[in-house]
Amino acid sequence: GAGVSQSPRYKVAKRGQDVALRCDPISGHVSLFWYQQALGQGPEFLTYFQNEAQLDKSGLPSDRFFAERPEGSVSTLKIQRTQQEDSAVYLCASSLGGQHNQPQHFGDGTRLSIL
Amino acid sequence: GENVEQHPSTLSVQEGDSAVIKCTYSDSASNYFPWYKQELGKRPQLIIDIRSNVGEKKDQRIAVTLNKTAKHFSLHITETQPEDSAVYFCVAPMTNEKLTFGTGTRLTIIP
Repeated sequence: GAGVSQSPRYKVAKRGQDVALRCDPISGHVSLFWYQQALGQGPEFLTYFQNEAQLDKSGLPSDRFFAERPEGSVSTLKIQRTQQEDSAVYLCASSLGGQHNQPQHFGDGTRLSIL
Repeated sequence: GENVEQHPSTLSVQEGDSAVIKCTYSDSASNYFPWYKQELGKRPQLIIDIRSNVGEKKDQRIAVTLNKTAKHFSLHITETQPEDSAVYFCVAPMTNEKLTFGTGTRLTIIP
């Protein structure tokens, strides 16, 4: 596709429910990143994939957060037993990868609201 | 880990004037410095980037300067227009491609 696509655009869930957020990276992009952006803040790194390998998950705030990219393309970020503090915009980005520091291109994000 | 400080946090500029946003970083291994623009409710958009082997880069009304010795870099926007109003983030990635965003600058262009 033309850019990074994320779905759903908005998600409302009750506290305690599980949610799954999807990211379709730019075709051919090797690297995929997830970020969390709280209201009025900059994006904060959650996790990073190179193809299907999750190379860094140091930013995941708890073991309730899980990300996967089983075929090296589409990625899913899953949050179990959601809490109110999980409310944020979840951004996905992709880059060509292959060498350090290729430009990262972001999707529009999923705005998650936990009631 | 990397620490990026950005200032000012808010900036109001008369249309047509210039705007300057400054950032400092801590990790001397950083060698790639992108700037992102984010309009309300929209995705962060890469507007310009610079690598550590150059000191300045220009793209039309936007320029970025880098001082590796002092560990600071700046974004310059000339001839500002209303559509430049947005939040701007400097970024200093760690060597494993993890981006560390600055705290953001809310730029308002006054018509």
